[in-house]
Amino acid sequence: EAGVAQSPRYKIIEKRQSVAFWCNPISGHATLYWYQQILGQGPKLLIQFQNNGVVDDSQLPKDRFSAERLKGVDSTLKIQPAKLEDSAVYLCASSPWGDRGETQYFGPGTRLLVL
Amino acid sequence: RKEVEQDPGPFNVPEGATVAFNCTYSNSASQSFFWYRQDCRKEPKLLMSVYSSGNEDGRFTAQLNRASQYISLLIRDSKLSDSATYLCVVNTNAGKSTFGDGTTLTVKP
Repeated sequence: EAGVAQSPRYKIIEKRQSVAFWCNPISGHATLYWYQQILGQGPKLLIQFQNNGVVDDSQLPKDRFSAERLKGVDSTLKIQPAKLEDSAVYLCASSPWGDRGETQYFGPGTRLLVL
Repeated sequence: RKEVEQDPGPFNVPEGATVAFNCTYSNSASQSFFWYRQDCRKEPKLLMSVYSSGNEDGRFTAQLNRASQYISLLIRDSKLSDSATYLCVVNTNAGKSTFGDGTTLTVKP
């Protein structure tokens, strides 16, 4: 079974530039998560999708971050404009239904450096 | 106060040692609990779920204390390959996950 795919794996941009990340979850998984992991911290949930609907985006900085999952499969996360403090690893995860007891399967992440 | 708190460590132990990590959570409505393992520069992976009655998987034992709102992970007979960061994860009934900042373990020969 193929795992969660993410691209790009690394990205370096200057502040105020825009950047987009892509995620393809495990086939058949209805729930998709985007996390931000800053060095030395645990992953912080940015947004959770159930199929193509948003379940939770309470911690998404909506003035600069946006995410979509138009067809209920793959997803993109965009930052516009980027700030220095956005430097982090952006992790995508998926689970079958998003139930409280389910395992989340993570992709390898995208490492973003904002200069 | 963070919703999920862990001792960051690092824990430096010799091979064969027993080591225990604790994690406390503040949301009394939390329903599901997990330990994930994250190797350096890798993604988190599920180590084990934590059940109310406690559960064991080989050298790993997880315990939950709902009254005191903490979970624990015990690793017996530590191996070099156990060196990693261990993340405590707490889920609400709605499936929202909150991760702790992790505890770093280094097992030395």
